[in-house]
Amino acid sequence: SQTIHQWPATLVQPVGSPLSLECTVEGTSNPNLYWYRQAAGRGLQLLFYSVGIGQISSEVPQNLSASRPQDRQFILSSKKLLLSDSGFYLCAWRGFMNTEAFFGQGTRLTVV
Amino acid sequence: QQQVKQSPQSLIVQKGGIPIINCAYENTAFDYFPWYQQFPGKGPALLIAIRPDVEKKEGRFTISFNKSAKQFSLHIMDSQPGDSATYFCAARGGTSYDKVIFGPGTSLSVIP
Repeated sequence: SQTIHQWPATLVQPVGSPLSLECTVEGTSNPNLYWYRQAAGRGLQLLFYSVGIGQISSEVPQNLSASRPQDRQFILSSKKLLLSDSGFYLCAWRGFMNTEAFFGQGTRLTVV
Repeated sequence: QQQVKQSPQSLIVQKGGIPIINCAYENTAFDYFPWYQQFPGKGPALLIAIRPDVEKKEGRFTISFNKSAKQFSLHIMDSQPGDSATYFCAARGGTSYDKVIFGPGTSLSVIP
């Protein structure tokens, strides 16, 4: 069966520090991968998605970047965090032939 | 065109009541409409999904769909306190085939 792993679960980082969040998927090949951000009490904002290795589509211009170095690995990064980067970050995957998207458990990022 | 609108923002019902969450879209190319349920601190989980059909039922959850009005709704029959969560409608299709566009969410509280 397919599983998605996202870590860390929580993270507190100072303003100006770098960020690296990792997401990996098991049990499938060539998935579509997504990064969403959810501000407190708000909806899900799509940040990046990828349909293959090295292919990244950015939805919202911002302080973040994404990379897909391997088929089932998706990384969210920042060189210098801002206070406004705080939020709940969710990774999701969708099989190429499937319709549903499945989410990881999320990373709670607090920038102080 | 790419947005999914959702209302109400929050909803409180008594146990046994039937909460109704409404969503609307503009993009006629959307052809897949999932609903997700999210508990605090967790990633969203797929609840039920529909193509542009009239209605779909899964257990206590029913989606009604009005294709001409570009609206769809989630009804929760015999609601229980365990149904208290945030519910997101979403859409995918057309130029958004690779992306799942989410509504802003509805926070549901079912009181005993």
